[in-house]
Amino acid sequence: AQSVTQLGSHVSVSEGALVLLRCNYSSSVPPYLFWYVQYPNQGLQLLLKYTTGATLVKGINGFEAEFKKSETSFHLTKPSAHMSDAAEYFCAVTGYNQGGKLIFGQGTELSVKP
Amino acid sequence: GAGVSQSPSNKVTEKGKDVELRCDPISGHTALYWYRQSLGQGLEFLIYFQGNSAPDKSGLPSDRFSAERTGGSVSTLTIQRTQQEDSAVYLCASSLVRGQGGGANYGYTFGSGTRLTVV
Repeated sequence: AQSVTQLGSHVSVSEGALVLLRCNYSSSVPPYLFWYVQYPNQGLQLLLKYTTGATLVKGINGFEAEFKKSETSFHLTKPSAHMSDAAEYFCAVTGYNQGGKLIFGQGTELSVKP
Repeated sequence: GAGVSQSPSNKVTEKGKDVELRCDPISGHTALYWYRQSLGQGLEFLIYFQGNSAPDKSGLPSDRFSAERTGGSVSTLTIQRTQQEDSAVYLCASSLVRGQGGGANYGYTFGSGTRLTVV
């Protein structure tokens, strides 16, 4: 079975500050991990994903995430927040031989203060 | 088409009525997924279709929910005798599937969803 826990349903940062959104997963098979962003009244957009290889993954809009197997984590970071980053962020996991079924976390709403 | 298309974008229905939600995946994508996003909740897996294989229905919340996929393309999610707790955004996604990594190898494309309101 697989599961995802996102710590903090709401995160608020100042513009220009570091963004850190936490994601921990549980998986009985090697995980494939994703971060999606959802802007108000829009669908989900893929930020980045980890399947195999390099554990530090760079995505769109300056975001990156690091897969840490020992910590079962896949935290999302961005060095400097922009007002346009305000959105809901979802971490998701699937794995080898899981049929591609994504299991999502509850989401973290990011607010960016001017 | 260029993306995953869902219709209608909004649906208001009376409690007890049946509703059908449609998903038109990206051409050539063999896998199709339905998710439900309730207010303040994450995305809840409902059902998964892959080619001609039997669908994975493990996420359907009750027997009022069913889905089909005709010709390996368009999918319809049907909710019978709707209840207020069915109010949510229903999202569809499609992906190419290759190997045991499933859609993870190629990524998933999500539609914009159908916002269902049961009054």
